Amino acid sequence: AQSVTQLDSQVPVFEEAPVELRCNYSSSVSVYLFWYVQYPNQGLQLLLKYLSGSTLVKGINGFEAEFNKSQTSFHLRKPSVHISDTAEYFCAVSQGGSEKLVFGKGTKLTVNP
Amino acid sequence: GAVVSQHPSWVICKSGTSVKIECRSLDFQATTMFWYRQFPKQSLMLMATSNEGSKATYEQGVEKDKFLINHASLTLSTLTVTSAHPEDSSFYICSASSVKPYGYTFGSGTRLTVV
Repeated sequence: AQSVTQLDSQVPVFEEAPVELRCNYSSSVSVYLFWYVQYPNQGLQLLLKYLSGSTLVKGINGFEAEFNKSQTSFHLRKPSVHISDTAEYFCAVSQGGSEKLVFGKGTKLTVNP
Repeated sequence: GAVVSQHPSWVICKSGTSVKIECRSLDFQATTMFWYRQFPKQSLMLMATSNEGSKATYEQGVEKDKFLINHASLTLSTLTVTSAHPEDSSFYICSASSVKPYGYTFGSGTRLTVV
């Protein structure tokens, strides 16, 4: 069965610092990869997705992620964070051909002034 | 872009009553919708997958008689929590899949509190 590992449950950073949220998945077949952000008491908002093509994916709010097939990783990065980026971030995977999304446990990003 | 409307956003009900949550895809047809449950500070747990016009497929451990899912049209799926108990209190989120552009759009969630 597929699994998604988000290595850090909490990531505190200072405003304007760079950040990387790590995500690894387990699958030997083609996958689609997603990053979502969740603000308190809200649903999930898509940040970016990788379906095929270029391994560097740019999303909204200045976020980007790189698909690394050999390392089965899809880490999320932002060069300079803002206070408003404080939220929970979820990495998710769907196996090619399947509609089910498998989520990681989430990473709580806290941006401090 | 694709928009999914979910309501109510929050609901308080008495133990033993039933609650219905609606999930609508506003600008696209969703042949498949998903219902998730999220406990505080935890990830999303898939409860069931619903396809328009057919019975929902429930994940292992989810009581289908307690969590009734109906997907009567290409734009509407409902989740009814029957005979609710305090342990059913949770955050419920729906999502709909779309072919173009491929992806999943999530509703804003429903906070259910059973007292």
